[in-house]
Amino acid sequence: DTAVSQTPKYLVTQMGNDKSIKCEQNLGHDTMYWYKQDSKKFLKIMFSYNNKELIINETVPNRFSPKSPDKAHLNLHINSLELGDSAVYFCASSQAGRGVGKLFFGSGTQLSVL
Amino acid sequence: GEDVEQSLFLSVREGDSSVINCTYTDSSSTYLYWYKQEPGAGLQLLTYIFSNMDMKQDQRLTVLLNKKDKHLSLRIADTQTGDSAIYFCAEILPMDTGRRALTFGSGTRLQVQP
Repeated sequence: DTAVSQTPKYLVTQMGNDKSIKCEQNLGHDTMYWYKQDSKKFLKIMFSYNNKELIINETVPNRFSPKSPDKAHLNLHINSLELGDSAVYFCASSQAGRGVGKLFFGSGTQLSVL
Repeated sequence: GEDVEQSLFLSVREGDSSVINCTYTDSSSTYLYWYKQEPGAGLQLLTYIFSNMDMKQDQRLTVLLNKKDKHLSLRIADTQTGDSAIYFCAEILPMDTGRRALTFGSGTRLQVQP
């Protein structure tokens, strides 16, 4: 059983389209995250949710809208995709409090915008 | 702002020791972390060290912490080809909202030659 699973693994789409990435964790964690990894492998946090509440939104364009229907799910919807959105998007989860440094990552969604 | 810094690339021969270095930013960081990313996969937590420790050993892994210089290193003894990956150091830093989140260095790509 995969602890943090995200779908799809690959997403190829045209500029201007709208797409979603789904993430689910079965670890019972309170906190979920979206990270973006660029072509140079640099990782930057985008969002963090704790028990369905948005707690971190790191200067991400409002074309990106996370949604957490329950604490086990955190989805990412992206409107009007741009070339610069091409990257690998990682979902992760952790316990709150002292556990925030111990992240469990999904295997990533490679988004290519043409 | 300051970044968590790492050298980009390290190449070693199988059986040698590898030392990956990191300079972190926040002298008040309580825990510091090392993550490993294999090709096509998400990051996985390798080890971490509490800030009141100078050294932590875990099988082939040794973490050294120099708080005065804000320097962290990861030594891998008897490096194997399966250790080829990108290694990230990380610390928990405050974001724009004041909430804290795990912030990663730029990653060091370790290549192990047979």
